[in-house]
Amino acid sequence: GENVEQHPSTLSVQEGDSAVIKCTYSDSASNYFPWYKQELGKRPQLIIDIRSNVGEKKDQRIAVTLNKTAKHFSLHITETQPEDSAVYFCAATDREYGGSQGNLIFGKGTKLSVKP
Amino acid sequence: DAGVIQSPRHEVTEMGQEVTLRCKPISGHNSLFWYRQTMMRGLELLIYFNNNVPIDDSGMPEDRFSAKMPNASFSTLKIQPSEPRDSAVYFCASSLGGSLFGEQFFGPGTRLTVL
Repeated sequence: GENVEQHPSTLSVQEGDSAVIKCTYSDSASNYFPWYKQELGKRPQLIIDIRSNVGEKKDQRIAVTLNKTAKHFSLHITETQPEDSAVYFCAATDREYGGSQGNLIFGKGTKLSVKP
Repeated sequence: DAGVIQSPRHEVTEMGQEVTLRCKPISGHNSLFWYRQTMMRGLELLIYFNNNVPIDDSGMPEDRFSAKMPNASFSTLKIQPSEPRDSAVYFCASSLGGSLFGEQFFGPGTRLTVL
């Protein structure tokens, strides 16, 4: 099955700086890579995702890059703001059961702190 | 749509008691997932259903845990008997699944405390 590694586990940046979180995955058949943001005491919510036919995707200050050859993908947040402080999870599909009946395997999370 | 609904939001029980967590997925979604989140282990998939059928329950910790999905709009996760190490936040999530596999929408979670 799929294994997802996420680094770093904690990240502290100054407001306005950029933040980068990296994930690697093991299953070359994985084809969907979402990123979730979880604020303290809240539920995880999708912020951006990328599919295996795309190398990069951007949404305002957030971008995700995917390198299928190296089996890694990254989240980039530019011009960070205090409200970006949260735990971020990457995930990849586990295609063990084939077809479209896949589930998500999540990384352990990165706690991002943006200091004003 | 109200999103994924979970109940109760908080549950405090004593060791040995039976606990039942409930979930109503988003209407039209045919995949449902149960997760457990703790500081130590992060977000763990316990079991997921596709079209009400359990597909993968390899994440269920032990026989004390069981999950059912009797119809497309309701699922339960039961722990019997409960133990202090079961204390965690339990999330239910749903997605469209199938060829539209993509975003999972999480419910607000149930915070379980077993004394």
